[in-house]
Amino acid sequence: NAGVMQNPRHLVRRRGQEARLRCSPMKGHSHVYWYRQLPEEGLKFMVYLQKENIIDESGMPKERFSAEFPKEGPSILRIQQVVRGDSAAYFCASSPSGTNSYEQYFGPGTRLTVT
Amino acid sequence: DQQVKQNSPSLSVQEGRISILNCDYTNSMFDYFLWYKKYPAEGPTFLISISSIKDKNEDGRFTVFLNKSAKHLSLHIVPSQPGDSAVYFCAASAQTGANNLFFGTGTRLTVIP
Repeated sequence: NAGVMQNPRHLVRRRGQEARLRCSPMKGHSHVYWYRQLPEEGLKFMVYLQKENIIDESGMPKERFSAEFPKEGPSILRIQQVVRGDSAAYFCASSPSGTNSYEQYFGPGTRLTVT
Repeated sequence: DQQVKQNSPSLSVQEGRISILNCDYTNSMFDYFLWYKKYPAEGPTFLISISSIKDKNEDGRFTVFLNKSAKHLSLHIVPSQPGDSAVYFCAASAQTGANNLFFGTGTRLTVIP
């Protein structure tokens, strides 16, 4: 029973490039969440998606960041024109539909480094 | 604005003794609280949770206590084991449609053999 999968685990981008982070939720889970952890800080919510729908993107920066969760395939967090301040660990979590969706299961994260 | 706070960045405890990790929150709309454990280079792992209708939840060596009037919760680990050494995050959620979690900044627990 595979857990939440994220790739790549490490991503290095130069300033101005695009970063694409992928997340495959646990089997049977239809809710996906993205969080960002800056150094020495806790995880900060970015966006919550269900299949083909963005439910809550209140934590997403207004520019350069976007997320999707298509009908087929993984969820993608896309950061355009990356800057040094985007360097962080990005975690994806999933939860099953229905009850107990508060209990989110996290992937291992993608560590983005912007040089 | 940090709505969930863990004021102790680190804690060291002798093996076999009790570890107590504390967490405070400011948002009275929070009604569900969770503790996650995180090892380096891994994602957080769900540990234990408590609903606001309870004041205690126990699972093996782990017990979470909730004091709603003080907006405070704590995680007790007894007896502590070296394998418990990790960063522990407290998280909270309000009953909204979004179910996003608000995390504290974490407490690094070191259990000394």
